[in-house]
Amino acid sequence: DAGITQSPRHKVTETGTPVTLRCHQTENHRYMYWYRQDPGHGLRLIHYSYGVKDTDKGEVSDGYSVSRSKTEDFLLTLESATSSQTSVYFCAILQGLAYEQYFGPGTRLTVT
Amino acid sequence: DQQVKQNSPSLSVQEGRISILNCDYTNSMFDYFLWYKKYPAEGPTFLISISSIKDKNEDGRFTVFLNKSAKHLSLHIVPSQPGDSAVYFCAASVGTGNQFYFGTGTSLTVIP
Repeated sequence: DAGITQSPRHKVTETGTPVTLRCHQTENHRYMYWYRQDPGHGLRLIHYSYGVKDTDKGEVSDGYSVSRSKTEDFLLTLESATSSQTSVYFCAILQGLAYEQYFGPGTRLTVT
Repeated sequence: DQQVKQNSPSLSVQEGRISILNCDYTNSMFDYFLWYKKYPAEGPTFLISISSIKDKNEDGRFTVFLNKSAKHLSLHIVPSQPGDSAVYFCAASVGTGNQFYFGTGTSLTVIP
Protein backbone atom coordinates (compact mmCIF):
# COMPACT_ATOMS: atom_id res chain seq x y z
CA ASP A 1 0.00 0.00 0.00
CA ALA A 2 1.59 3.23 -1.19
CA GLY A 3 -0.76 5.39 0.88
CA ILE A 4 -2.58 7.01 -2.04
CA THR A 5 -6.04 8.43 -1.61
CA GLN A 6 -8.23 10.24 -4.09
CA SER A 7 -11.12 12.55 -3.38
CA PRO A 8 -13.89 12.65 -4.20
CA ARG A 9 -14.44 9.06 -5.26
CA HIS A 10 -17.54 9.93 -7.24
CA LYS A 11 -18.74 13.23 -8.62
CA VAL A 12 -21.53 14.37 -10.91
CA THR A 13 -21.25 17.88 -12.24
CA GLU A 14 -22.77 20.03 -14.95
CA THR A 15 -21.14 21.17 -18.16
CA GLY A 16 -19.25 24.42 -17.70
CA THR A 17 -18.57 24.08 -13.98
CA PRO A 18 -15.05 23.90 -12.55
CA VAL A 19 -14.00 20.66 -10.90
CA THR A 20 -10.95 19.83 -8.80
CA LEU A 21 -9.83 16.30 -8.02
CA ARG A 22 -7.33 15.67 -5.26
CA CYS A 23 -4.64 13.04 -4.97
CA HIS A 24 -2.94 12.65 -1.61
CA GLN A 25 0.04 10.48 -0.76
CA THR A 26 1.67 9.89 2.59
CA GLU A 27 5.10 8.54 1.65
CA ASN A 28 6.92 11.55 0.18
CA HIS A 29 7.16 10.21 -3.38
CA ARG A 30 8.62 12.60 -5.90
CA TYR A 31 6.71 11.57 -9.02
CA MET A 32 2.93 11.78 -9.24
CA TYR A 33 0.66 11.23 -12.24
CA TRP A 34 -2.91 11.81 -13.36
CA TYR A 35 -4.51 9.42 -15.88
CA ARG A 36 -7.95 9.00 -17.32
CA GLN A 37 -9.36 5.63 -18.27
CA ASP A 38 -11.90 5.33 -21.08
CA PRO A 39 -13.25 2.32 -22.97
CA GLY A 40 -11.18 1.65 -26.07
CA HIS A 41 -8.40 3.97 -24.94
CA GLY A 42 -6.92 2.32 -21.91
CA LEU A 43 -5.08 4.65 -19.56
CA ARG A 44 -3.94 7.98 -20.93
CA LEU A 45 -1.61 10.37 -19.14
CA ILE A 46 -3.02 13.84 -18.49
CA HIS A 47 -0.25 15.52 -16.48
CA TYR A 48 2.54 14.45 -14.22
CA SER A 49 4.75 16.04 -11.59
CA TYR A 50 8.38 15.41 -10.73
CA GLY A 51 8.49 17.63 -7.67
CA VAL A 52 6.83 20.53 -5.89
CA LYS A 53 5.80 23.09 -8.49
CA ASP A 54 7.36 20.93 -11.25
CA THR A 55 4.77 19.58 -13.66
CA ASP A 56 4.59 18.55 -17.30
CA LYS A 57 1.91 17.70 -19.83
CA GLY A 58 0.92 14.25 -20.89
CA GLU A 59 -0.76 13.09 -24.07
CA VAL A 60 -4.27 14.37 -23.25
CA SER A 61 -3.66 17.57 -21.28
CA ASP A 62 -6.03 19.91 -23.13
CA GLY A 63 -8.77 21.18 -20.82
CA TYR A 64 -6.89 20.18 -17.67
CA SER A 65 -4.50 21.96 -15.33
CA VAL A 66 -2.59 20.69 -12.32
CA SER A 67 -0.89 22.07 -9.26
CA ARG A 68 1.50 20.68 -6.71
CA SER A 69 2.25 23.07 -3.89
CA LYS A 70 3.12 20.32 -1.41
CA THR A 71 4.84 16.97 -1.95
CA GLU A 72 1.83 15.06 -0.71
CA ASP A 73 -0.89 16.67 -2.83
CA PHE A 74 -1.39 16.72 -6.59
CA LEU A 75 -4.52 18.50 -7.77
CA LEU A 76 -6.21 18.09 -11.14
CA THR A 77 -8.54 20.88 -12.25
CA LEU A 78 -11.07 20.94 -15.04
CA GLU A 79 -11.58 24.68 -15.51
CA SER A 80 -14.86 24.23 -17.38
CA ALA A 81 -16.02 20.65 -17.46
CA THR A 82 -17.30 19.14 -20.71
CA SER A 83 -19.15 15.89 -21.37
CA SER A 84 -16.03 14.50 -23.08
CA GLN A 85 -14.31 14.65 -19.69
CA THR A 86 -16.67 12.09 -18.23
CA SER A 87 -14.24 9.38 -17.25
CA VAL A 88 -12.54 7.52 -14.44
CA TYR A 89 -9.50 9.40 -13.20
CA PHE A 90 -6.57 7.66 -11.56
CA CYS A 91 -3.70 9.15 -9.66
CA ALA A 92 -0.41 7.28 -9.41
CA ILE A 93 2.96 7.57 -7.75
CA LEU A 94 6.27 6.10 -8.84
CA GLN A 95 8.15 3.87 -6.48
CA GLY A 96 9.93 0.60 -6.10
CA LEU A 97 13.01 -1.05 -7.52
CA ALA A 98 11.15 -1.70 -10.76
CA TYR A 99 10.11 1.96 -11.08
CA GLU A 100 6.55 0.81 -11.12
CA GLN A 101 3.54 3.00 -10.56
CA TYR A 102 1.11 2.54 -7.71
CA PHE A 103 -2.37 3.73 -8.45
CA GLY A 104 -5.04 5.23 -6.28
CA PRO A 105 -8.59 3.83 -6.19
CA GLY A 106 -9.88 6.22 -8.87
CA THR A 107 -12.49 8.97 -9.14
CA ARG A 108 -15.52 8.45 -11.31
CA LEU A 109 -16.51 11.80 -12.81
CA THR A 110 -19.72 12.32 -14.75
CA VAL A 111 -20.31 15.60 -16.58
CA THR A 112 -23.95 16.08 -17.54
CA ASP B 1 -1.70 7.80 -32.37
CA GLN B 2 -1.56 4.79 -30.06
CA GLN B 3 2.09 3.95 -29.44
CA VAL B 4 1.28 0.84 -27.41
CA LYS B 5 -1.31 -1.57 -28.76
CA GLN B 6 -3.10 -4.56 -27.36
CA ASN B 7 -5.01 -5.97 -30.29
CA SER B 8 -6.98 -8.60 -28.38
CA PRO B 9 -9.71 -6.97 -26.28
CA SER B 10 -10.54 -10.25 -24.57
CA LEU B 11 -9.20 -13.74 -23.92
CA SER B 12 -10.73 -16.81 -22.30
CA VAL B 13 -8.62 -19.65 -20.91
CA GLN B 14 -9.35 -22.79 -18.94
CA GLU B 15 -8.05 -22.95 -15.39
CA GLY B 16 -4.63 -24.57 -15.25
CA ARG B 17 -3.76 -23.73 -18.83
CA ILE B 18 -1.42 -21.03 -20.09
CA SER B 19 -2.65 -17.48 -20.73
CA ILE B 20 -0.71 -15.46 -23.27
CA LEU B 21 -1.38 -11.75 -23.53
CA ASN B 22 0.25 -9.77 -26.30
CA CYS B 23 1.36 -6.18 -26.71
CA ASP B 24 2.95 -4.31 -29.61
CA TYR B 25 4.62 -0.93 -29.64
CA THR B 26 5.69 1.46 -32.35
CA ASN B 27 8.21 3.73 -30.66
CA SER B 28 11.69 2.24 -30.95
CA MET B 29 12.89 4.56 -28.16
CA PHE B 30 10.88 2.66 -25.55
CA ASP B 31 13.27 0.78 -23.31
CA TYR B 32 11.20 -0.13 -20.28
CA PHE B 33 8.01 -2.16 -20.24
CA LEU B 34 5.53 -3.09 -17.54
CA TRP B 35 2.37 -5.13 -17.10
CA TYR B 36 -0.46 -4.16 -14.80
CA LYS B 37 -3.59 -6.00 -13.72
CA LYS B 38 -6.86 -4.24 -13.01
CA TYR B 39 -9.96 -5.47 -11.23
CA PRO B 40 -13.26 -3.58 -11.61
CA ALA B 41 -13.61 -0.48 -9.45
CA GLU B 42 -9.96 -0.62 -8.40
CA GLY B 43 -6.77 1.02 -9.59
CA PRO B 44 -4.30 -0.99 -11.69
CA THR B 45 -1.69 -2.98 -9.78
CA PHE B 46 1.83 -3.66 -10.95
CA LEU B 47 2.65 -7.21 -12.03
CA ILE B 48 6.03 -7.42 -13.70
CA SER B 49 8.46 -5.34 -15.72
CA ILE B 50 11.29 -5.81 -18.18
CA SER B 51 14.12 -3.64 -19.39
CA SER B 52 15.19 -3.66 -23.02
CA ILE B 53 18.54 -5.15 -22.05
CA LYS B 54 16.70 -8.38 -21.28
CA ASP B 55 14.46 -10.60 -23.35
CA LYS B 56 12.78 -12.43 -20.49
CA ASN B 57 11.81 -11.77 -16.91
CA GLU B 58 10.09 -14.24 -14.63
CA ASP B 59 8.25 -13.83 -11.35
CA GLY B 60 6.43 -16.88 -10.10
CA ARG B 61 3.61 -17.76 -12.47
CA PHE B 62 4.23 -14.64 -14.56
CA THR B 63 6.80 -14.34 -17.34
CA VAL B 64 7.26 -11.43 -19.68
CA PHE B 65 9.02 -11.88 -23.01
CA LEU B 66 10.41 -9.01 -25.07
CA ASN B 67 11.20 -9.19 -28.78
CA LYS B 68 12.81 -5.87 -29.60
CA SER B 69 13.20 -6.51 -33.31
CA ALA B 70 9.48 -7.18 -33.62
CA LYS B 71 8.56 -4.47 -31.09
CA HIS B 72 6.47 -7.05 -29.29
CA LEU B 73 6.10 -8.21 -25.74
CA SER B 74 3.98 -10.89 -24.20
CA LEU B 75 2.87 -11.91 -20.73
CA HIS B 76 2.58 -15.60 -19.95
CA ILE B 77 0.60 -16.80 -16.94
CA VAL B 78 1.12 -20.43 -16.02
CA PRO B 79 -0.95 -22.02 -14.62
CA SER B 80 -3.91 -19.69 -15.00
CA GLN B 81 -6.21 -19.37 -12.00
CA PRO B 82 -9.73 -17.94 -11.71
CA GLY B 83 -8.35 -15.08 -9.60
CA ASP B 84 -6.30 -14.00 -12.61
CA SER B 85 -9.51 -12.88 -14.32
CA ALA B 86 -8.99 -9.15 -14.80
CA VAL B 87 -8.03 -6.55 -17.38
CA TYR B 88 -4.32 -6.54 -18.18
CA PHE B 89 -2.53 -3.44 -19.43
CA CYS B 90 0.93 -3.23 -20.90
CA ALA B 91 2.85 0.02 -20.60
CA ALA B 92 6.07 1.41 -22.02
CA SER B 93 8.40 4.30 -21.34
CA VAL B 94 11.65 5.84 -22.43
CA GLY B 95 13.75 5.39 -19.34
CA THR B 96 12.06 5.39 -15.97
CA GLY B 97 10.23 8.12 -14.14
CA ASN B 98 8.97 9.78 -17.27
CA GLN B 99 5.80 9.37 -19.29
CA PHE B 100 4.31 5.92 -19.43
CA TYR B 101 2.20 4.92 -22.43
CA PHE B 102 -0.46 2.30 -21.86
CA GLY B 103 -2.20 -0.11 -24.17
CA THR B 104 -5.97 -0.40 -24.33
CA GLY B 105 -6.08 -3.53 -22.20
CA THR B 106 -7.01 -7.19 -22.60
CA SER B 107 -9.78 -8.67 -20.49
CA LEU B 108 -8.75 -12.14 -19.33
CA THR B 109 -11.34 -14.64 -18.15
CA VAL B 110 -10.10 -17.84 -16.56
CA ILE B 111 -12.82 -20.48 -16.64
CA PRO B 112 -12.89 -22.88 -13.66
